[in-house]
Amino acid sequence: DGGITQSPKYLFRKEGQNVTLSCEQNLNHDAMYWYRQDPGQGLRLIYYSQIVNDFQKGDIAEGYSVSREKKESFPLTVTSAQKNPTAFYLCASKQANSYNEQFFGPGTRLTVL
Amino acid sequence: AQSVTQPDIHITVSEGASLELRCNYSYGATPYLFWYVQSPGQGLQLLLKYFSGDTLVQGIKGFEAEFKRSQSSFNLRKPSVHWSDAAEYFCAVGAQGNFNKFYFGSGTKLNVKP
Repeated sequence: DGGITQSPKYLFRKEGQNVTLSCEQNLNHDAMYWYRQDPGQGLRLIYYSQIVNDFQKGDIAEGYSVSREKKESFPLTVTSAQKNPTAFYLCASKQANSYNEQFFGPGTRLTVL
Repeated sequence: AQSVTQPDIHITVSEGASLELRCNYSYGATPYLFWYVQSPGQGLQLLLKYFSGDTLVQGIKGFEAEFKRSQSSFNLRKPSVHWSDAAEYFCAVGAQGNFNKFYFGSGTKLNVKP
């Protein structure tokens, strides 16, 4: 089945540790995204990538980093510089440069203790 | 700057009643618009989208939305709500001049009374 997978579903980390969230897609999409979701704030864009080896900052990129070495994969690292990392993180993908919708993964809930 | 406003944070309707969720956007040109639904702890699923043409758009699960340029609105409707429609609904608009960037509203949480 084609789709987007995010792992793990739940992640716990101690304050001060970096953590990497996985996102993989087999939809052959060029564009991939990371959003953060907090209650009452909708989705806020962290980073997006329109093509391999290229990515752009979104509205809340501080404290996060990404890489796009393969078309299928777009991992997100939450660094210790992120002041309030506890949140629900959603990955998405779409066909680039077209009037198409995004497809979303099931999300990862990160809790920093 | 572009933005999307969903004025209702929570809405409660009785099962079988009609539903309208509001969405207003700011955009300079012809927008492309989306409605997504999210069940608790899950990702988002596309309900419907508008790019051009007929301003009344049909989607999945019996939902429809109407694009009104004069009001900068793209309201989501359903004639008869089912208990399984309880979820959070997000309106989104594609960024002007960039097919690959989107702005989301803050969401409307729908409760359905039996």
